[in-house]
Amino acid sequence: QSALTQPPSASGSLGQSVTISCTGTSSDVGGYTYVSWYQQHPGKAPKLMIYDVSKRPSGVPDRFSGSKSGNTASLTVSGLQADDEADYYCSSYGGSNNLRVFGGGTKLTVL
Amino acid sequence: EVQLVESGGGFIQPGESLRLSCAASGFSLSNYDMHWVRQAIGKGLEWVSVIGVVGDTYYSGPVKGRFTISRQNARNSLYLQMNSLRLEDTAVYYCARGMVRGVAFDFWGQGTLVTVSS
Repeated sequence: QSALTQPPSASGSLGQSVTISCTGTSSDVGGYTYVSWYQQHPGKAPKLMIYDVSKRPSGVPDRFSGSKSGNTASLTVSGLQADDEADYYCSSYGGSNNLRVFGGGTKLTVL
Repeated sequence: EVQLVESGGGFIQPGESLRLSCAASGFSLSNYDMHWVRQAIGKGLEWVSVIGVVGDTYYSGPVKGRFTISRQNARNSLYLQMNSLRLEDTAVYYCARGMVRGVAFDFWGQGTLVTVSS
């Protein structure tokens, strides 16, 4: 069982928006501004999409945005494109006893 | 261009040992925290271990006492020595670079598959 809870699946139509949640505790998501999100296409390595809750690395489209409220972080993908169809994982700093924790992943389907 | 290339995976029996390597290029590995993250086939990501810039090391609960992370700056390479392997250690193992200005993994290798089976 993963430390962070994500819905197993999400879907949206081309051009629409979808939001994926990531719920932890006050010891990880709620306690730090260190949530990151990764996109993983089948057979490929994960790719960083969002870090420190809401920052985008260079090269990531601004259609991807992140936020956090309490113990729940969210990733929003706007203007869905076919290539956005992938697995998405959240991660958080978990304190000195559990340095990094991941969510179980959400499979995003673009209809 | 930043690149991370893992090697050393394979088929191994329970209780045996294996050492994974990760060759870095395009940056100096000594300036970054470096992590190992694994993913069982069809499952999610699981953080395994980190070695900090000053050589401090940390491990997840399931591997503590069995795995050892190290690096050789002269070779710009990261390693993971895995002892007393168990069936549940079967996974693709990725090396990943820790961000300098941020807390995340900003570059990942392509992974190397470790299969523990009798």
